[in-house]
Amino acid sequence: NAGVTQTPKFQVLKTGQSMTLQCAQDMNHEYMSWYRQDPGMGLRLIHYSVGAGITDQGEVPNGYNVSRSTTEDFPLRLLSAAPSQTSVYFCASTYRMTARRETQYFGPGTRLLVL
Amino acid sequence: AQSVTQPDIHITVSEGASLELRCNYSYGATPYLFWYVQSPGQGLQLLLKYFSGDTLVQGIKGFEAEFKRSQSSFNLRKPSVHWSDAAEYFCAVGGDNNNDMRFGAGTRLTVKP
Repeated sequence: NAGVTQTPKFQVLKTGQSMTLQCAQDMNHEYMSWYRQDPGMGLRLIHYSVGAGITDQGEVPNGYNVSRSTTEDFPLRLLSAAPSQTSVYFCASTYRMTARRETQYFGPGTRLLVL
Repeated sequence: AQSVTQPDIHITVSEGASLELRCNYSYGATPYLFWYVQSPGQGLQLLLKYFSGDTLVQGIKGFEAEFKRSQSSFNLRKPSVHWSDAAEYFCAVGGDNNNDMRFGAGTRLTVKP
């Protein structure tokens, strides 16, 4: 299994540009989520999905869109990038949202710089 | 609302020395507690977790953590640190669902030769 994969690893955007961060998992996990990591703040939940076709907002959803058309993929879209979205983005997955006893697996991260 | 505090932003220890990373949490019910490690350029890897039962939890790579309800703490320990332990460590508290998880700001560990 490849686990959780993310692309790209690094991206530079100009303010106002759009882009999609890709996330895929091959473990047949129902629950997938996106976090952002900022210095001094730990990880904060952006959006999550409990299965194909079902998404919901996390702690810091503004400026981000998600969709879940398949079990495997959970892309994160920035429609109009802002410097405040400069961060490291992590995708994670686990068996189910309520499977708190199951390990949550994290991807390697995407480092985004918005100028 | 739940929250996690990791009081130490950066800790430096000598190789072979013991290690304790502090974590304090705030949670209204019985918490589920986690420690993750993040090596440079990598994602987070679960070291250990506490749900119930024995308050001393053993994890991977020789780490352990002790849940102390009276102190709202879940400190991570290792008796003898190796150079490969240099990384950033995150404490997290969760509830019934994975979307309830809250992470601390992290502690960066440097290991001196």
